[in-house]
Amino acid sequence: DAKTTQPPSMDCAEGRAANLPCNHSTISGNEYVYWYRQIHSQGPQYIIHGLKNNETNEMASLIITEDRKSSTLILPHATLRDTAVYYCIVTSGSRLTFGEGTQLTVNP
Amino acid sequence: NAGVTQTPKFQVLKTGQSMTLQCAQDMNHNSMYWYRQDPGMGLRLIYYSASEGTTDKGEVPNGYNVSRLNKREFSLRLESAAPSQTSVYFCASSELGGYNSPLHFGNGTRLTVT
Repeated sequence: DAKTTQPPSMDCAEGRAANLPCNHSTISGNEYVYWYRQIHSQGPQYIIHGLKNNETNEMASLIITEDRKSSTLILPHATLRDTAVYYCIVTSGSRLTFGEGTQLTVNP
Repeated sequence: NAGVTQTPKFQVLKTGQSMTLQCAQDMNHNSMYWYRQDPGMGLRLIYYSASEGTTDKGEVPNGYNVSRLNKREFSLRLESAAPSQTSVYFCASSELGGYNSPLHFGNGTRLTVT
């Protein structure tokens, strides 16, 4: 599976959009981009995933560049409850490899 | 619909003791996984089961064994616990495997080995 690179930490003001970047320059054509988050001490929570096209659901939007070498997770109106570690994962199989993720802190 | 249920939530073992961590899912998922998470680190895959009757090693399988008892249940066994196995253990399941099928996680078992 392709390796991903994320910033270790980011801050965001409550009510503003949070844009979390992820680089995956070695991604293969059949690999999906997944985003999960982990709120302190809880199990990771699935957010969204995509292959080529941009995706949106009730939690977030996923923007994948045309060359698929990077992506951005967008939380449109961040709340304090969105403070968590966000993991970007690229996979084509049954195994998901979690890196260290981005610690997002939403400030009042 | 409870999702993924892990038992116990907390456990303290002495070095050399054995124990089994239990995991059950009620979503009729085919694939199940065991991860461990050490403080300040991401999750590392221990073992996974792509479908009932099959198991495969992940990144860090040494010191562990697994059993896919049936489609619902996937257990993780520590035969002789070591302090290096102090960690939080997460079980997960997915409908078809991680390819195009999100993982659903349990809330973890916090294990301390003294």
